[in-house]
Amino acid sequence: DAKTTQPTSMDCAEGRAANLPCNHSTISGNEYVYWYRQIHSQGPQYIIHGLKNNETNEMASLIITEDRKSSTLILPHATLRDTAVYYCIVSPGGSNYKLTFGKGTLLTVNP
Amino acid sequence: GAGVSQSPRYKVAKRGQDVALRCDPISGHVSLFWYQQALGQGPEFLTYFQNEAQLDKSGLPSDRFFAERPEGSVSTLKIQRTQQEDSAVYLCASRLGLDPQETQYFGPGTRLLVL
Repeated sequence: DAKTTQPTSMDCAEGRAANLPCNHSTISGNEYVYWYRQIHSQGPQYIIHGLKNNETNEMASLIITEDRKSSTLILPHATLRDTAVYYCIVSPGGSNYKLTFGKGTLLTVNP
Repeated sequence: GAGVSQSPRYKVAKRGQDVALRCDPISGHVSLFWYQQALGQGPEFLTYFQNEAQLDKSGLPSDRFFAERPEGSVSTLKIQRTQQEDSAVYLCASRLGLDPQETQYFGPGTRLLVL
């Protein structure tokens, strides 16, 4: 699986947009980019995923560069409840697809 | 609706004891995964079931770890002769079908502490 690089931690003010970067320079053509987050003492929660087009859902937007070597997760209006560890995961298809987590980015939303 | 549930939520074991951790996936979900999460680390894959078939157990760290899903629903992760390095949060996730683009839904985890 392709590896990802994320900053260890980031801060964001409540109400502002949080932009979380992820580098995946060795991504191959059939690999998707997934984002999960883990709030303290809870299991990971799916946020969004994409292949090459930008994606948006009710939680976030995912911007993937044209060369697919990096992506950005955008939380448009961060709240205190968005404080969590955010994981960027790159993985190919396949029914036994398993998520390969790194250490993620600890996002702290400050009041 | 009910999500993935795990029990117990917390387990303290003495070194050498056997433990059994239970996962109740979302009803009807075909795929089931177990992950291990050490303190300060991301979850790491242990094993994968498609219905009752264990198709991938490449992540199980030793032969002391055993998982089963006999009827294709509830799954149990068993650890024999627990060691201190087994202390971690054990996460279960389920997925509706076989499409890797489908969301994996995680339970809250079982926090295991081996003394």
